[in-house]
Amino acid sequence: EAQVTQNPRYLITVTGKKLTVTCSQNMNHEYMSWYRQDPGLGLRQIYYSMNVEVTDKGDVPEGYKVSRKEKRNFPLILESPSPNQTSLYFCASRDRESSYEQYFGPGTRLTVT
Amino acid sequence: GQSLEQPSEVTAVEGAIVQINCTYQTSGFYGLSWYQQHDGGAPTFLSYNALDGLEETGRFSSFLSRSDSYGYLLLQELQMKDSASYFCAVLNYGGSQGNLIFGKGTKLSVKP
Repeated sequence: EAQVTQNPRYLITVTGKKLTVTCSQNMNHEYMSWYRQDPGLGLRQIYYSMNVEVTDKGDVPEGYKVSRKEKRNFPLILESPSPNQTSLYFCASRDRESSYEQYFGPGTRLTVT
Repeated sequence: GQSLEQPSEVTAVEGAIVQINCTYQTSGFYGLSWYQQHDGGAPTFLSYNALDGLEETGRFSSFLSRSDSYGYLLLQELQMKDSASYFCAVLNYGGSQGNLIFGKGTKLSVKP
């Protein structure tokens, strides 16, 4: 089954404790993104990757890091989480930059206390 | 800059027709997509318009007018399960980069 998976689905952590949210897709897609979703603000892009070893900042990259060492994986790293990073996070992928159909993972609900 | 505007909330009754509008401002426009997201779920792709006109997929239709930078999603024969948030998204593809830019979403409530 074609899918994007994320782990963990739920995470409660404390300020300053480094964490990684994993993302993997099995569709051989070139393009992957991370979004955060907050009430009233819609989906805001954090980082994206056009292919292996090619990443760039989205609209809200501060406080986040990413890497793309393999085509299928695109982890999101919070080196020192803060309460304002409490949010719902989605990983997404699409075939290539010019593709209009994007596939989303199930989401990770993160709470930073 | 780039922006998409859509109403924040819409309410309709079961069996009715509802239209969710989206206006956009962007450069390098390549098409308008629509996504559906139920509470607690992930956005899922509904439709895409690259050219002007109406695209129909079952009870859902999507329309685009590139000259007006405007599109809409039309939902017919509304069902309770259509209660969800709907996002328009523009494929902004220019230069060496392509990006999907999302509106803030329209929360549709379907009443019995």
